[in-house]
Amino acid sequence: KAGVTQTPRYLIKTRGQQVTLSCSPISGHRSVSWYQQTPGQGLQFLFEYFSETQRNKGNFPGRFSGRQFSNSRSEMNVSTLELGDSALYLCASSERGPHATNEKLFFGSGTQLSVL
Amino acid sequence: AQKVTQAQTEISVVEKEDVTLDCVYETRDTTYYLFWYKQPPSGELVFLIRRNSFDEQNEISGRYSWNFQKSTSSFNFTITASQVVDSAVYFCALGSNAGGTSYGKLTFGQGNILTVHP
Repeated sequence: KAGVTQTPRYLIKTRGQQVTLSCSPISGHRSVSWYQQTPGQGLQFLFEYFSETQRNKGNFPGRFSGRQFSNSRSEMNVSTLELGDSALYLCASSERGPHATNEKLFFGSGTQLSVL
Repeated sequence: AQKVTQAQTEISVVEKEDVTLDCVYETRDTTYYLFWYKQPPSGELVFLIRRNSFDEQNEISGRYSWNFQKSTSSFNFTITASQVVDSAVYFCALGSNAGGTSYGKLTFGQGNILTVHP
């Protein structure tokens, strides 16, 4: 089985622009989570989707949004980019969600976003 | 609120030494779960282990072992006879089975940067 695939791997944007990141989960996985990783704040939860529904959202401003498609692929969007949005954005997938008993959560390699 | 503390930010050992990474967690939930992940320079978080709050036995997998102690809210990870390839950042993460706003959310510790020298 292919792992979690995130595209693009690297992205450079300027302040004020918007960006869309893509995540393809492992085949058969219906839960997709997104995390932001920065040197200062570490790994922080953004949101989790299951069967096209957002089940949970972290403490991020409304500029951060996401969606999930019927094939479980997910996208996240950041509008009006700020310098502080520079980070590694990681996507993770699982069959039912990490809260399900003995569920494993698999991560992609991430998208490194640089905002200039 | 949930919290995970990995106190040792950077750890440096020489190959073949044993090394233990500490993880202390805080949660009010009675049912929860814990992960350990390894992050090599490529950036991908590699799954190592999951333990549930109701699991009683500790686990050994090859050179890796985990000590889960509910009484002290700790979930420590030991690498026996470390190797250079073990050099990476290791994260401990906590999730809850309480449902609702806990769905899908993991709270990560700050990570341990482990460097194994030849």
